[in-house]
Amino acid sequence: DAGVTQSPTHLIKTRGQQVTLRCSPKSGHDTVSWYQQALGQGPQFIFQYYEEEERQRGNFPDRFSGHQFPNYSSELNVNALLLGDSALYLCASSFTGVGTDTQYFGPGTRLTVL
Amino acid sequence: EDKVVQSPLSLVVHEGDTVTLNCSYEVTNFRSLLWYKQEKKAPTFLFMLTSSGIEKKSGRLSSILDKKELSSILNITATQTGDSAIYLCAGPQGGSEKLVFGKGTKLTVNP
Repeated sequence: DAGVTQSPTHLIKTRGQQVTLRCSPKSGHDTVSWYQQALGQGPQFIFQYYEEEERQRGNFPDRFSGHQFPNYSSELNVNALLLGDSALYLCASSFTGVGTDTQYFGPGTRLTVL
Repeated sequence: EDKVVQSPLSLVVHEGDTVTLNCSYEVTNFRSLLWYKQEKKAPTFLFMLTSSGIEKKSGRLSSILDKKELSSILNITATQTGDSAIYLCAGPQGGSEKLVFGKGTKLTVNP
């Protein structure tokens, strides 16, 4: 049973560029959440996708956008990159239903903005 | 705003020691509290505690939820170097599925 997968593993970009990160959820899961983890901090919620729509959003600017596809996989797009966007980006999948708060995380994408 | 606070932020012990990690939370409409272990990148799920399941145990790891005190502890007995990691505590924010995380406790187990 494949767990959550993410690509790429690492990414280096320069300020002002745009980036797309990808995530495939764990088999049987229909919900994908994205988190940003800065060094020494816990993950911060960016947004969550369910049924191909953004269901909930954290305190991130509109430069951060996403998409969910019919097969439940998801993309995170960040435009006009800033140095402060350098972080580990984690994707988590879950199944929407009663008593299913557990989210399973992928290995993350390490984004460095120069 | 919902908040999760973990203590200590870092801890260094020797193999064989027992450690207790703390998590306090202020979340509206409490539903559950989760513990994760993060070694390199991916946080891996350890336990979920709810009002109907306030104690969980897996091998040398155990966790207890105190709903009255709005806190939880994670115990690790007979620590091993492989237990070295960041331990994260999280809770769903106010009825939603957004997880609010603490900053984590960095545990270092020396041989």
